[in-house]
Amino acid sequence: AQSVAQPEDQVNVAEGNPLTVKCTYSVSGNPYLFWYVQYPNRGLQFLLKYITGDNLVKGSYGFEAEFNKSQTSFHLKKPSALVSDSALYFCAVRDQGTTSGTYKYIFGTGTRLKVLA
Amino acid sequence: EAQVTQNPRYLITVTGKKLTVTCSQNMNHEYMSWYRQDPGLGLRQIYYSMNVEVTDKGDVPEGYKVSRKEKRNFPLILESPSPNQTSLYFCAAGSGGLGSGNTIYFGEGSWLTVV
Repeated sequence: AQSVAQPEDQVNVAEGNPLTVKCTYSVSGNPYLFWYVQYPNRGLQFLLKYITGDNLVKGSYGFEAEFNKSQTSFHLKKPSALVSDSALYFCAVRDQGTTSGTYKYIFGTGTRLKVLA
Repeated sequence: EAQVTQNPRYLITVTGKKLTVTCSQNMNHEYMSWYRQDPGLGLRQIYYSMNVEVTDKGDVPEGYKVSRKEKRNFPLILESPSPNQTSLYFCAAGSGGLGSGNTIYFGEGSWLTVV
């Protein structure tokens, strides 16, 4: 069965320090991987995705993520955190789909990032 | 600008009173989906639709109905709401079929309280 795990409910980091938000996945076939961010009282906003190609993917607001096939991970990173990065982050995976043409997105439970001034 | 619009954004209703949460997208996307977000459980898929007149159950479909009569609209219907359906609901839309990793875009969410 497909699944996404975000092992940390919360990550605290000091402003200016590098940050990592972890995500591991389980899916049959090659995965499509996504990161979304949710600010308070808002919907989820797309940050970045991995489809194929270079394992390091760059996205919005200076975020990047590294796809590691052997470890089935897709960790979100940023070299220097800002207080404004404080939000709820979701990792998601989309499967390759079925022969009937359907596919599903599976989301992790979310990681709350707190950047401390 | 790509938009997914949900209404109402906030609703308090009573047990058993039928309600509909509307969702509309302006991107001509085939794929649409409903999720509910609950603390500690993340986003759970309720129903999704690959195209007009094609809908499938997600992980938590009980107590919900959907319809997809037009490409742009995907309403979520609670025929007889119960308190355990109190949640934050998100509609999402995306394009592309198999082989594409197209992004899905979310609405702003609908806070639903059933008392």
